[in-house]
Amino acid sequence: QSALTQPPSASGSPGQSVTISCTGTSSDIGGYDYVSWYQQHPGKAPKLMIYYVTKRPSGVPDRFSGSKSGNTASLTVSGLQAEDEADYYCSSFAGSANWVFGGGTKLTVL
Amino acid sequence: EVQLVESGGDLVQPGGSLRLSCAASGFTFSDYWMSWVRQAPGKGLEWVANIRRDGSTKNYVDSAKGRFTISRDNAKNSVYLQMNSLRVEDTALYYCAREDNWSRNYWGQGTLVTVSS
Repeated sequence: QSALTQPPSASGSPGQSVTISCTGTSSDIGGYDYVSWYQQHPGKAPKLMIYYVTKRPSGVPDRFSGSKSGNTASLTVSGLQAEDEADYYCSSFAGSANWVFGGGTKLTVL
Repeated sequence: EVQLVESGGDLVQPGGSLRLSCAASGFTFSDYWMSWVRQAPGKGLEWVANIRRDGSTKNYVDSAKGRFTISRDNAKNSVYLQMNSLRVEDTALYYCAREDNWSRNYWGQGTLVTVSS
């Protein structure tokens, strides 16, 4: 049950696009399409942004998109806005009824 | 409106026990798997346990096996986490979350568990 690997930080200017990667193994990300992404503002509960690798829950702006290639999943935020500044966590089913999260990426809007 | 409200967090000594509760409202509780996810201070998220809609299946992270027990009472719209043999490394904010579409789409605000002598 090793954590997924995310870069500790990412940044971009307002209006730009930024992509956050999440690397796992063939036992988690590579083996299942059950990848989700969560946004967490300081002192707040996580919020689901992406599920099933690419799907957005109702109410999540289409500026947020997800993808996967092999053992790596990615979250792209287009048209960066100040309110997008937060921590982002990926998560994947890891088989045998286990779930893993990434270590988190702090997104800074410059 | 979906609401999840956790309670039961406290300061406890190593080796002690604690029972966390999560009261759900705004949805048909018995239709959903439920999870507990924790976050140590300044750290990332860690899935702890989940439980099937009818309580018949329970899953745990390795570090919780044999020490933690997840349960639910569908009549009371509540899910619980009984934590025994607590360790310093169990110190965290514990979130209750509703599962849907192989993800966690609603979260409570968390309850803080501090394990310290």
